[in-house]
Amino acid sequence: ETGVTQSPTHLIKTRGQQVTLRCSSQSGHNTVSWYQQALGQGPQFIFQYYREEENGRGNFPPRFSGLQFPNYSSELNVNALELDDSALYLCASSFDWQPYNEQFFGPGTRLTVL
Amino acid sequence: AQSVTQPDIHITVSEGASLELRCNYSYGATPYLFWYVQSPGQGLQLLLKYFSGDTLVQGIKGFEAEFKRSQSSFNLRKPSVHWSDAAEYFCAVAPTNAGGTSYGKLTFGQGTILTVHP
Repeated sequence: ETGVTQSPTHLIKTRGQQVTLRCSSQSGHNTVSWYQQALGQGPQFIFQYYREEENGRGNFPPRFSGLQFPNYSSELNVNALELDDSALYLCASSFDWQPYNEQFFGPGTRLTVL
Repeated sequence: AQSVTQPDIHITVSEGASLELRCNYSYGATPYLFWYVQSPGQGLQLLLKYFSGDTLVQGIKGFEAEFKRSQSSFNLRKPSVHWSDAAEYFCAVAPTNAGGTSYGKLTFGQGTILTVHP
């Protein structure tokens, strides 16, 4: 059974650019959640996708957007990058959106914005 | 305001000593409660969770946690720490509404870094 994978591992962008991060969910999982973890902080919930529909959103501006594909993999897109967007971006997949189903986390994508 | 607090940013213990990591939450209804561990370069791994029932919860790697409603706390414990336990530990909650329904969004504390001395 393949776990949650994310690509790329590291990424360097400049302010104002756009970035796309990718996440492959674990087999059998239809829900993907995205989190931003700034240095020295706990992860912050960005949004969740369940069966290709957004199923909840945290306190992030609209320039953070996402997609979930029919195979339940997911993308996180960030437009007009700001320096404060530098962080580790984690995705987690789960059997469905219910919190009693464990969220399995990928290793993350480290984004640096210069 | 709703929040999760881990009062200790950094804890150092000797190998073989006992461990307790503190977590307090501030929510109207009792949320679902979790502890995760994050090792350098790794994603988060679930140690244990509490939804209802027995307030003492057993998890993986010899960890346990106790839910105390009166104190709004969910502290993580381990009787004897191993060097491999050195990592960062996060308490997390999934808020519930008055009917006990939660929508899976996890809110994390700031984390506690555990250092283990030989």
